[in-house]
Amino acid sequence: GAGVSQSPSNKVTEKGKDVELRCDPISGHTALYWYRQSLGQGLEFLIYFQGNSAPDKSGLPSDRFSAERTGGSVSTLTIQRTQQEDSAVYLCASRGAGSFDQPQHFGDGTRLSIL
Amino acid sequence: DQQVKQNSPSLSVQEGRISILNCDYTNSMFDYFLWYKKYPAEGPTFLISISSIKDKNEDGRFTVFLNKSAKHLSLHIVPSQPGDSAVYFCAARASGSARQLTFGSGTQLTVLP
Repeated sequence: GAGVSQSPSNKVTEKGKDVELRCDPISGHTALYWYRQSLGQGLEFLIYFQGNSAPDKSGLPSDRFSAERTGGSVSTLTIQRTQQEDSAVYLCASRGAGSFDQPQHFGDGTRLSIL
Repeated sequence: DQQVKQNSPSLSVQEGRISILNCDYTNSMFDYFLWYKKYPAEGPTFLISISSIKDKNEDGRFTVFLNKSAKHLSLHIVPSQPGDSAVYFCAARASGSARQLTFGSGTQLTVLP
């Protein structure tokens, strides 16, 4: 499809396990963002990639969280030693190049549940 | 500290009437504002945006108004339709930044047939 694709759509895992979430941005989009949405809350920024520049990691809540973007396209968000408070919907968005006044387009998210 | 606030968690409106969703912000560096609509189990979908150099932007049934002096924006939907029932998020971005959006906590709109 032409939109942002995320996998898996749902992930249930035990506390202490590592998880890896994947995002395929819209083709040609240079900017990629990860957010998370906890129950009843707005979206919380995690990390931002722009082209080959160093990522902006200022939103990552702890050093258990990391993300990569390979080849300027696909991104993976990794959470190590998961905790129950990591349960949330993790959303990826991408934005095209050019003017900053372009909206971010979101995938449908990965719903992560930590038991 | 919430920089973008949506103080109404829910709103119910009759079909055909106007829906008005409100959003307040505190950061004077915000210069670009967006509204997203979200259905359950789906990602947010971009609806409409406005730059701080404007005070109104219209797209079909949707109009966004910006009052910079009051640090307030609103989304008007007219006429409202049952398919508009969703959670609406207000988001803002700081000037000169290509970085993250700051989101409000959302308003659940229910349009009653």
